[in-house]
Amino acid sequence: GAGVSQSPSNKVTEKGKDVELRCDPISGHTALYWYRQSLGQGLEFLIYFQGNSAPDKSGLPSDRFSAERTGGSVSTLTIQRTQQEDSAVYLCASSYQTGTGVGGELFFGEGSRLTVL
Amino acid sequence: GESVGLHLPTLSVQEGDNSIINCAYSNSASDYFIWYKQESGKGPQFIIDIRSNMDKRQGQRVTVLLNKTVKHLSLQIAATQPGDSAVYFCAENSGNTPLVFGKGTRLSVIA
Repeated sequence: GAGVSQSPSNKVTEKGKDVELRCDPISGHTALYWYRQSLGQGLEFLIYFQGNSAPDKSGLPSDRFSAERTGGSVSTLTIQRTQQEDSAVYLCASSYQTGTGVGGELFFGEGSRLTVL
Repeated sequence: GESVGLHLPTLSVQEGDNSIINCAYSNSASDYFIWYKQESGKGPQFIIDIRSNMDKRQGQRVTVLLNKTVKHLSLQIAATQPGDSAVYFCAENSGNTPLVFGKGTRLSVIA
């Protein structure tokens, strides 16, 4: 597609439920990133993929969070047994490559706003 | 751990004036710096980047300055317009590490 697409754009769920957030990166981008942005805060790194593998999972807040990427394209971020502190905007970004070389710029989607009641 | 931060959380400027948004970083190994603009309800958008072998880079109405001696990065916006109102983030990385973002500065343009 023309840009990074995320769905759903808004999700309201009850505490304890599981949620899945989807990211469709720019075609041809090999690197995919998930960030979390709480209200009025900066971007907190969660995880990134190079192809289908995740070299760095250090940012995942707890074992309730997991992510996968299949076919080197679409990625799903899953949050199990959601808590109120999980409420945030989850941003996905993709880039042609990881690192600081040409093409390392991240292109962001519009985000998925998650509200846990 | 290493972090990126900002000197000023909010900035209000008159339309037509120049804006300067500052950012401090602590990772001396960082070799790539980037500024993003985030409008309300949208994802961050790339503005301009700079590598550590440079100290200045100019774009359209924007200039990024890098002072590696004091680990300071700034974004200058010339002739600020209402459309420039947004939150601005600096970010940095080195090698293949993911971008680390600062907390952001909100720029408000007064018409």
